[in-house]
Amino acid sequence: GNSVTQMEGPVTLSEEAFLTINCTYTATGYPSLFWYVQYPGEGLQLLLKATKADDKGSNKGFEATYRKETTSFHLEKGSVQVSDSAVYFCALKARGTSGSRLTFGEGTQLTVNP
Amino acid sequence: DVKVTQSSRYLVKRTGEKVFLECVQDMDHENMFWYRQDPGLGLRLIYFSYDVKMKEKGDIPEGYSVSREKKERFSLILESASTNQTSMYLCASTEGRNTEAFFGQGTRLTVV
Repeated sequence: GNSVTQMEGPVTLSEEAFLTINCTYTATGYPSLFWYVQYPGEGLQLLLKATKADDKGSNKGFEATYRKETTSFHLEKGSVQVSDSAVYFCALKARGTSGSRLTFGEGTQLTVNP
Repeated sequence: DVKVTQSSRYLVKRTGEKVFLECVQDMDHENMFWYRQDPGLGLRLIYFSYDVKMKEKGDIPEGYSVSREKKERFSLILESASTNQTSMYLCASTEGRNTEAFFGQGTRLTVV
């Protein structure tokens, strides 16, 4: 079946540090890949996505590249801010999945200190 | 903007009670989902619906049922609440060909 594995957290960084959150997946065919973010007390919102191999998704300074050869979609940001503190979820949608069903990873809690 | 609204932010219920969690979306989306979120487990799909009166089981449907009588509303029902159903419940919706999911703010349910 489909699955997503994220690096273990939590992650604590100082402001302006470089961020990497690892994500690898298992899926049949070529899925679409997503990063969602959950700020404290809120639901999830889409951060970025990539729909085919070698695509790069980007938003708000975050980037992730769809790597088919390593089945990975690592999230990066060059300089984090306190406001980036949140839980980050990697997710996939397999081709042909009925109802646009998403499979999520475990989530990674990021805390950025001033 | 798409809005997905869950009826309660916090609920406390007693073991054995029948519990209803309501979700409404205002963008005429075809697909609606119920997830539960637990630390270290991420989001797990309970049930989803791709049309009115249609439903499919997700990964953890035991102890839950759903109802979708109108396109905009998707209800999650705990037939007889148990303490292991204490969790954060998240509703989401997507339009048929657009895979971005829009989430409600979540309902934190405590069963005592």
